[in-house]
Amino acid sequence: AQTVTQSQPEMSVQEAETVTLSCTYDTSESNYYLFWYKQPPSRQMILVIRQEAYKQQNATENRFSVNFQKAAKSFSLKISDSQLGDTAMYFCAFDNNAGNMLTFGGGTRLMVKP
Amino acid sequence: EAGVAQSPRYKIIEKRQSVAFWCNPISGHATLYWYQQILGQGPKLLIQFQNNGVVDDSQLPKDRFSAERLKGVDSTLKIQPAKLEDSAVYLCASSLASGASTEAFFGQGTRLTVV
Repeated sequence: AQTVTQSQPEMSVQEAETVTLSCTYDTSESNYYLFWYKQPPSRQMILVIRQEAYKQQNATENRFSVNFQKAAKSFSLKISDSQLGDTAMYFCAFDNNAGNMLTFGGGTRLMVKP
Repeated sequence: EAGVAQSPRYKIIEKRQSVAFWCNPISGHATLYWYQQILGQGPKLLIQFQNNGVVDDSQLPKDRFSAERLKGVDSTLKIQPAKLEDSAVYLCASSLASGASTEAFFGQGTRLTVV
């Protein structure tokens, strides 16, 4: 079974600064997908960024980028130029390519301060 | 495009009562998922449908939980009888297909409180 661990329950960052959220996972699979989801108070999970394990290049989506270290089973999310609207819970998730059956970490609560 | 619709948004029931949640996925999405998110935790998959068939329900507590997706569109998740530990947000998600390369879209969830 896969496990996903987020070791930072809460983090805060000043507006316009950069913050990195950590995620580690455990799997014996070689081909899989990793995701970061944002969950604002509205509760709706929103996909932030996705990484395919067979791709060595780190994924980037505007201000969001990942540092994917396959050997270390680490998948961190970097948010640049943080905005007040980035305040939310962030969940790291794993899919073993068996059909979007996501295994989520425990989440990191991010607060962006003005 | 309309998103995943769920109702009700909130529900409070007493233990041992029954409750049902409804989900309408994005039009054309063949795959539908129900997740349970206990406060302070990440979501946990309960069941996955492909059209009107069950793909995976290994984490569904079948003694009290049931789900159906008649006609391969809307889905209902039922709990009978409810226990205190069932208090959680129940999230529905849908995707075009079941592959991880296709994005899953989530609804806003139903927050259930069992007292």
